[in-house]
Amino acid sequence: GESVGLHLPTLSVQEGDNSIINCAYSNSASDYFIWYKQESGKGPQFIIDIRSNMDKRQGQRVTVLLNKTVKHLSLQIAATQPGDSAVYFCAEGAGNNRKLIWGLGTSLAVNP
Amino acid sequence: DGGITQSPKYLFRKEGQNVTLSCEQNLNHDAMYWYRQDPGQGLRLIYYSQIVNDFQKGDIAEGYSVSREKKESFPLTVTSAQKNPTAFYLCASSHGGGVEQFFGPGTRLTVL
Repeated sequence: GESVGLHLPTLSVQEGDNSIINCAYSNSASDYFIWYKQESGKGPQFIIDIRSNMDKRQGQRVTVLLNKTVKHLSLQIAATQPGDSAVYFCAEGAGNNRKLIWGLGTSLAVNP
Repeated sequence: DGGITQSPKYLFRKEGQNVTLSCEQNLNHDAMYWYRQDPGQGLRLIYYSQIVNDFQKGDIAEGYSVSREKKESFPLTVTSAQKNPTAFYLCASSHGGGVEQFFGPGTRLTVL
């Protein structure tokens, strides 16, 4: 049968606030995790990745936290800007397997 | 500029016709991927190729075919056997040993 469209989880924040986007991953054997940003009508863009031997990694205005105990990943965006409005996906991979397992995505809306 | 190109950006076809989507990369990446994205949903893997002249089915390969005759090219054919082909198609590539996948701008296929 045809697939049914799902409503993406949506996070709405005020410009300048910090944003936290959460992701529960599925495979306890996954040893790397990636966050992507997808703007409307475009392909996903890499934001940041983290290996399973780390629990935190920081980039420019972004921080990724990994909690392997509960299989949880989060992306923190500091001082959120209107240009951060997009859908954010987490993806997980294991070893040399090139296939990524993708989350469903979270829509971030930044209010001016 | 290095990158991944997909053409065309928008494609319209009549039901029952096969259609081929182009994907080219000049990043010298070994691996290439095709994903399908439906509105409000995540990415689903159709096919991937880790080296020239070799490719594997992803999670939703039925009704699609690919070829990898050259390292830089990975065309996807949507056949008439694909029951619901209208979607946004994304091509990606990654280099050997790397986890990050680089995405093209996508092709939006509409079957009338």
